[in-house]
Amino acid sequence: QQPVQSPQAVILREGEDAVINCSSSKALYSVHWYRQKHGEAPVFLMILLKGGEQKGHDKISASFNEKKQQSSLYLTASQLSYSGTYFCGTPAGGTSYGKLTFGQGTILTVHP
Amino acid sequence: NAGVTQTPKFRILKIGQSMTLQCTQDMNHNYMYWYRQDPGMGLKLIYYSVGAGITDKGEVPNGYNVSRSTTEDFPLRLELAAPSQTSVYFCASSYTENTEAFFGQGTRLTVV
Repeated sequence: QQPVQSPQAVILREGEDAVINCSSSKALYSVHWYRQKHGEAPVFLMILLKGGEQKGHDKISASFNEKKQQSSLYLTASQLSYSGTYFCGTPAGGTSYGKLTFGQGTILTVHP
Repeated sequence: NAGVTQTPKFRILKIGQSMTLQCTQDMNHNYMYWYRQDPGMGLKLIYYSVGAGITDKGEVPNGYNVSRSTTEDFPLRLELAAPSQTSVYFCASSYTENTEAFFGQGTRLTVV
């Protein structure tokens, strides 16, 4: 069962902050985050593992709340280059190990 | 480094025709995946594999078949193409389900 992302779209001005949420109805073992530019393949941002701490990648960081079965991606002081569609991915784990499904995506647009 | 290579990049098929989308990776990854992405939509898992000889269905397997005879290759077969299979297809690979997934550049398929 694929994770659910919110919001569906965000529009920002350069320098503003944004939060993208990812939640699942099933237990999460890890959460992947990827960014896809228009017409290109998704590119890895970071993975958060169960029991791991908050990760960071430049001015993009993320948290993972195992009890609430959700993760959040934080984009601070956004840049034009942050524009794109962000996807969270969650492995099913258990007997379905290897089954990596993605949320529907959040479109982020950063204006000058 | 080649990473994940998909061929062809573009293809137009007529309704009822069949074809194989090729995917090969040179990173010795055990896990491989096939996704389809319809315009403006998220990534839907078609099939995945956790090693040579082991494949399993994802969220949208109908109309597709896969095989995994080697670690490197994970071809996707479309039988009796239908307009609903018009999409961009991405192949990806990872060492485990909790490590970075590397995506190929995609195959843009149109069925007319």
